[in-house]
Amino acid sequence: DAKTTQPTSMDCAEGRAANLPCNHSTISGNEYVYWYRQIHSQGPQYIIHGLKNNETNEMASLIITEDRKSSTLILPHATLRDTAVYYCIVRVVEAGGTSYGKLTFGQGTILTVHP
Amino acid sequence: DGGITQSPKYLFRKEGQNVTLSCEQNLNHDAMYWYRQDPGQGLRLIYYSQIVNDFQKGDIAEGYSVSREKKESFPLTVTSAQKNPTAFYLCASSMDDSYNEQFFGPGTRLTVL
Repeated sequence: DAKTTQPTSMDCAEGRAANLPCNHSTISGNEYVYWYRQIHSQGPQYIIHGLKNNETNEMASLIITEDRKSSTLILPHATLRDTAVYYCIVRVVEAGGTSYGKLTFGQGTILTVHP
Repeated sequence: DGGITQSPKYLFRKEGQNVTLSCEQNLNHDAMYWYRQDPGQGLRLIYYSQIVNDFQKGDIAEGYSVSREKKESFPLTVTSAQKNPTAFYLCASSMDDSYNEQFFGPGTRLTVL
C-alpha cells in the first residue's frame, strides 16, 4: 500500500471547518483513500473513503485532487467531540474488488478542537 | 444492538503466562482482524480471517495464535513467546475482505507484569 504523509497535529476552533490534509504522492490507480479516526483509548471509527471523485457523507467530505496525489478531509462544523487522531490510509483494491482487508495505519494527525 | 465486543477492557497477567483475548461480533461479517497498538503509534495487523476455519498472518504474528471456529468469534492468544506483549489490542470485522469499511471493537488493554 502507498505511504501517506500527514501533519502531526492541528488545531481547530469549535464550529469552524477542520481541513485535514494527506499526501499520497505514490498512490496507484487501484488504491482507494480511506479516513478513520480514533478517540482516545477507543477503537478506530470509519469516516469516509473514495477513489477519485469527491465524496460526502453525514460525518465529513473527502476532496481528492485530480492527480490523486493528495486529499483533504473536511469536518464542516467541528465540535469538541471531534478531537481525535485522524488516519489517512490508502488501500489496494484488486480487479475483483478484493484487497485482503489490510489497513496500514501510520501515526495520523492529532486534531484538537478548542472552545 | 449490533456490534463488536471485546472483553475484558483491562487485563493483567504475569510474565510467562499465555492469555486469550475475546472478540465477538453479531454483524454477520465474514472477515475479522486483530491489531496491536503501542503508545503514540498506529495500528499493526497481527492476524486476519476472511472466512470461518481460515486465517492468515499479518505483519506481526510472531508470539500470537488465533482460531476461527465460529463466524462470530475470533479469539487471540498472546503466548509467552511474545517478547513485549503489553499493548492495546483491537479487534475488527468487515462484511468481507474487499473495500468495505472495518468496524472496530472497544479494545483490550493488556499489561504483563
